[in-house]
Amino acid sequence: DIQMTQSPSTLSASVGDRVTITCRASQSISNWLAWYQQKPGKAPKLLIYDASSLESGVPSRFSGSGSGTEFTLTISSLQPDDFAAYYCQQYSNYAPTFGQGTKVEIK
Amino acid sequence: QVQLVESGGGVVQPGRSLRLSCAASGFTFSTYGMHWVRQAPGKGLEWVAVISYDGSNKYYADSVKGRFTISRDNSKNTLYLQMSSLRAEDTAVYYCAKDKIAAAQTPHYFDYWGQGTLVTVSS
Repeated sequence: DIQMTQSPSTLSASVGDRVTITCRASQSISNWLAWYQQKPGKAPKLLIYDASSLESGVPSRFSGSGSGTEFTLTISSLQPDDFAAYYCQQYSNYAPTFGQGTKVEIK
Repeated sequence: QVQLVESGGGVVQPGRSLRLSCAASGFTFSTYGMHWVRQAPGKGLEWVAVISYDGSNKYYADSVKGRFTISRDNSKNTLYLQMSSLRAEDTAVYYCAKDKIAAAQTPHYFDYWGQGTLVTVSS
């Protein structure tokens, strides 16, 4: 299985901050990576796919980059609605795997 | 609009079986692969299984292989997960999720999710 490791596990930030979350794969996954946002008690929401493509309806303050084994999700200016957990997911083989998640908290 | 509604969760004893269902609407169900993803209480997401749009290909996480079976009925727009030999570590909210890529034989990413159904394995 391909292991996905996110850092940090928890991030404290303020409204307006630029936030970056990193996701590393245990082997190269090309650009086969997605990012999701999940709020407590809710299903995850797709933000980014193919490492850098923004899902329709997702605010442009979210962006993704990277290829191979290292990827980042950036929120350019954190908004109150963005405090949530974020997960990366690889889909380069027949067994998709998620990172362990990053919780973005209010500082 | 796309809707995915899971059902069938509940409390079950270790070693017993349970079948989950996911009723889909708002899209051409027979055109998309479908997944089950679970989340243990307070934990992260774990992909469980995928079935291709036509049911010809199925893949499973190692943690459930040989115990869980994914299936679909395209005439009823319904996805299933038959779970057997359940263990305490299978306790989780189970989500069904739609693959974004049409007519694919391999898994990709998930653009729509249900609200989840809770499975608790406990004696």
